[in-house]
Order: sequence, then structure tokens, then C-alpha cells
Amino acid sequence: KNQVEQSPQSLIILEGKNCTLQCNYTVSPFSNLRWYKQDTGRGPVSLTIMTFSENTKSNGRYTATLDADTKQSSLHITASQLSDSASYICVVSRNNAGNMLTFGGGTRLMVKP
Amino acid sequence: DVKVTQSSRYLVKRTGEKVFLECVQDMDHENMFWYRQDPGLGLRLIYFSYDVKMKEKGDIPEGYSVSREKKERFSLILESASTNQTSMYLCASSHHGKLETQYFGPGTRLLVL
Repeated sequence: KNQVEQSPQSLIILEGKNCTLQCNYTVSPFSNLRWYKQDTGRGPVSLTIMTFSENTKSNGRYTATLDADTKQSSLHITASQLSDSASYICVVSRNNAGNMLTFGGGTRLMVKP
Repeated sequence: DVKVTQSSRYLVKRTGEKVFLECVQDMDHENMFWYRQDPGLGLRLIYFSYDVKMKEKGDIPEGYSVSREKKERFSLILESASTNQTSMYLCASSHHGKLETQYFGPGTRLLVL
């Protein structure tokens, strides 16, 4: 079964600290993996995309990694800001399914001052 | 900037009512999608469309129908709303291609009483 599991479900950190969110997937055949950020009351916005051959991708203070052998990805947030408070969703695309996506349940991050 | 708009941010309906959710995108995207998002379950695909007048069932189409009469507009219809259809509904659009990003609207929070 094609699944995407994320951990932790929720996380609280202090402003300025770093954190790492995890994503494990069983989606096959794999095409690409994205991390989306979803602010409360808004739709998700794409942060990064990685294909099979890429193992790291950065977008400002966000750095995503991908290990296609172990089917794991992580999203590292450096020097967190209050505006980073959001849900972060790991999304995997199958190689034989056009633009069909499998979504993880998300990690809800709260950054406190 | 890509813009995906949804007709309502919040909607309250009664059981048995017919409900229309409208989505419009302004980027000439071929693909459009309807998802529902429930706590702990992630986003689940209801229906999608690759072209005008074309529709395909997603993972949870039961109780829903869709209409795509124009390229920029994709409507989700609840023929007879039920309480288990209380949810956040998200519309997305993208160009064809596995590496194309899906852009999401702000969502419609539907409450069925």
C-alpha cells in the first residue's frame, strides 16, 4: 500500500532553535518528494521538491534531505522564526500516476517566543 | 503569481442539501484537483480533471461529483450533504507533468449540520 508517514505529529520549539521533521514512505514506484508548508486556515505551499537522484535541497532556512534507498526524507529548519509555525506536509508522487500525490498526515510545528 | 481561488472560506449547510464548491485558477493549468483534509488523515483526493469536460475518480469519490465546463473552473458537488462530509475542502491546479507543482487554494471549511 502506498503510504507516507510523518513524525512527530506535533512539535513545540523556542524561537531561534533548529528542528528536524521526518518522513517515511512506501510509495512505489517513486517519482519525487515534496515538502509543503500549510499555515493555519490556508492551502499548502510547496517548499522543496527532490527527485530520485537528489539527496538534498535547500530553500532559505529550510533544508530537505532524501534517502531513496531507505525511503526516508527529513526537513531541517534552521534558526526558527515565529512565522515557521505551521503544518509541514510530506508528499510523494508515483512514477506511473501522472501528477497524483500521496500525502503524509503532517507535522504541526509551533515556534514559541 | 499563481492564484487559485475558492468561492467560500466557510460554509454551513444542513443534511440533505445540495452543496456547490467552486474553484477558479488563473494560470491556464490543465490539471485541477479536489481534496478533503481531515485531522490525522492528511489530504485525500476526491476527484481530478486533466482537461475540460474530463473527470477521474480519486481515492474517495463516494458522495461527490464534479464538473469542469471551462478550463479555469472546477466545481465540486455534494448531491445530498451528510454530516460525515464536514471537512476542509482544498482545490489545487497544476500543469501536466510529474514535476509540476500543485498550487492550492485557501480551502473551504464546510460544516454539515
